[in-house]
Amino acid sequence: QKEVEQNSGPLSVPEGAIASLNCTYSDRGSQSFFWYRQYSGKSPELIMFIYSNGDKEDGRFTAQLNKASQYVSLLIRDSQPSDSATYLCAVKGSGGSNYKLTFGKGTLLTVNP
Amino acid sequence: GAGVSQSPSNKVTEKGKDVELRCDPISGHTALYWYRQRLGQGLEFLIYFQGNSAPDKSGLPSDRFSAERTGESVSTLTIQRTQQEDSAVYLCASSLEAGEFDEQYFGPGTRLTVT
Repeated sequence: QKEVEQNSGPLSVPEGAIASLNCTYSDRGSQSFFWYRQYSGKSPELIMFIYSNGDKEDGRFTAQLNKASQYVSLLIRDSQPSDSATYLCAVKGSGGSNYKLTFGKGTLLTVNP
Repeated sequence: GAGVSQSPSNKVTEKGKDVELRCDPISGHTALYWYRQRLGQGLEFLIYFQGNSAPDKSGLPSDRFSAERTGESVSTLTIQRTQQEDSAVYLCASSLEAGEFDEQYFGPGTRLTVT
């Protein structure tokens, strides 16, 4: 059973701080990793994806990947109250199931004004 | 362009009734996926369609669940003899292709409540 683990939170940070969200995965063959943001009562929205070890930056968001440690993270700089949401880590399978996303349960982030 | 659309947005049904949920993928996307999200839980994969290939039904929780897709267009998810444990948000996603680097985009979901 392939697993994706996230701290459920809630993670609470003050406005303007850096929020750090972490995720580990069990399938060593996985090659692609995604972060979705889900506001309460809404569907998941894709915000970042990463395929290579290291950092990938997009605006205030940075995704970090370490395949050797089977660890992926999302940093949100200059956090805003509008960033308050649940963040879902998703990992594509390997081999014949490389189309299938396995999701973590999500980390609830609250940014306090 | 238009995103993934789903209907109905909400459905309340009595236990034992059948329901049909609809998904219209992004135009040109060949792959379509159904997921279920129960309250406070992560997303569970249900079924996957890619073009004319045989679907991957490995995530369907019981034989009461079935889904169809005609070509690369609309898909319907049918739940027969609904049970209270079927109450969840049913999410549809589509992607351009079905490779490991293809991004999946979600529709707004159908919230199903079985009373």
